[in-house]
Amino acid sequence: QVQLQQSSPGLVKPSQTLSLTCAISGDSVSSNSAAWNWIRQSPSRGLEWLGRTYYRSKWYNDYAVSVKSRITINPDTSKNQFSLQLNSVTPEDTAVYYCARMFHYYMDVWGKGTTVTVSS
Amino acid sequence: QSALTQPPSASGSPGQSVTISCTGTSSDVGGYNYVSWYQHHPGKAPKLMIYEVSKRPSGVPDRFSGSKSGNTASLTVSGLQAEDEADYYCSSYAGNNNYVFGTGTKVTVL
Repeated sequence: QVQLQQSSPGLVKPSQTLSLTCAISGDSVSSNSAAWNWIRQSPSRGLEWLGRTYYRSKWYNDYAVSVKSRITINPDTSKNQFSLQLNSVTPEDTAVYYCARMFHYYMDVWGKGTTVTVSS
Repeated sequence: QSALTQPPSASGSPGQSVTISCTGTSSDVGGYNYVSWYQHHPGKAPKLMIYEVSKRPSGVPDRFSGSKSGNTASLTVSGLQAEDEADYYCSSYAGNNNYVFGTGTKVTVL
């Protein structure tokens, strides 16, 4: 059974970098059939897909246009996890952040979510 | 990329049916058969209920069904039960390795 365990950073100051990790059990971050995603949910924006990383003989990343200039998603094969970094955060980035496994074109396994508040 | 449009709320009595719409464009919902639906109880992880428009993952009751016509997808919950009360989100592949979610619908079992 695949499970995703998210880290919990909590509070981030404006202009700083938001960093989250998602540890995978029951699957591999290097899987040739899965992609590893970050999604967030806020009252103002609803659910928003942020991006993904996946391995198909080499590593690929796809990012949402809305955050493309500020986001990095990296795999960590030594720890079987992947991470999210979002730079130059503002209060608009306050949200619950989820990691999720994507299989084909749908997310079949989700983490429980991490609440991140951007505030000074 | 604009969010897919869902009604904010829907409701029904136990045993009744409720249908939730999800309206996009020809660049997302209408262009691909890659619409999925998620059930979200607050504080818990979202759960996949329907994928590729109308397919049900193992373990999802057959009371849940999906369909699509043009740029609008729909999720129908038949035989409503108390545990179906939750938020429901649609999602669609939007081309160029991009994905979009719906605005969400709160389903209330009266």
